[in-house]
Amino acid sequence: EAGVAQSPRYKIIEKRQSVAFWCNPISGHATLYWYQQILGQGPKLLIQFQNNGVVDDSQLPKDRFSAERLKGVDSTLKIQPAKLEDSAVYLCASSLDRGRTEAFFGQGTRLTVV
Amino acid sequence: GQQLNQSPQSMFIQEGEDVSMNCTSSSIFNTWLWYKQDPGEGPVLLIALYKAGELTSNGRLTAQFGITRKDSFLNISASIPSDVGIYFCAGHDMDSNYQLIWGAGTKLIIKP
Repeated sequence: EAGVAQSPRYKIIEKRQSVAFWCNPISGHATLYWYQQILGQGPKLLIQFQNNGVVDDSQLPKDRFSAERLKGVDSTLKIQPAKLEDSAVYLCASSLDRGRTEAFFGQGTRLTVV
Repeated sequence: GQQLNQSPQSMFIQEGEDVSMNCTSSSIFNTWLWYKQDPGEGPVLLIALYKAGELTSNGRLTAQFGITRKDSFLNISASIPSDVGIYFCAGHDMDSNYQLIWGAGTKLIIKP
């Protein structure tokens, strides 16, 4: 069974530029998560989708971050414009359903904003 | 956002030693998950727990879902160099719409 796929693996951009990350979850997984992980910290949830609907985006900085999962399968996360403090690893995870099932992670995208 | 209390923050151990780490929460969880993260990689699921009192093993790893449903521990027996990494606990919070809540991690370092 294929795991969670993310691209790109690495991205370096200048501040005020925009960037987009892509995630393809495990087939059949209804729940998709985007996390931000700053060096030395645990993952911080940005947004959680259940199929193509948003379940939780309370920690998403909506003035610059946006995410969509239009067909309930793959998802994109966008930052526009980027700030220096957005430098982090962006992790995508998926689970069969929310609430009681394990979440599986992709390898992440390491973003460096200079 | 809400976080679990995970301890210790870091551990320096000798190869062959047993390791124990734990997580506590102020609210009731219905799932506890333990992950390991190596540098440059995403977290990898080690053990999933679904019932209060449940004790589950995965090789040299053993984890338990606390009876109160507010805590969990992870033990590693006879540690080896590849056990080095950061271990995270996570759980589904019944009071927060089953949001997956994370601990801050325990960094395991093996003394040379």
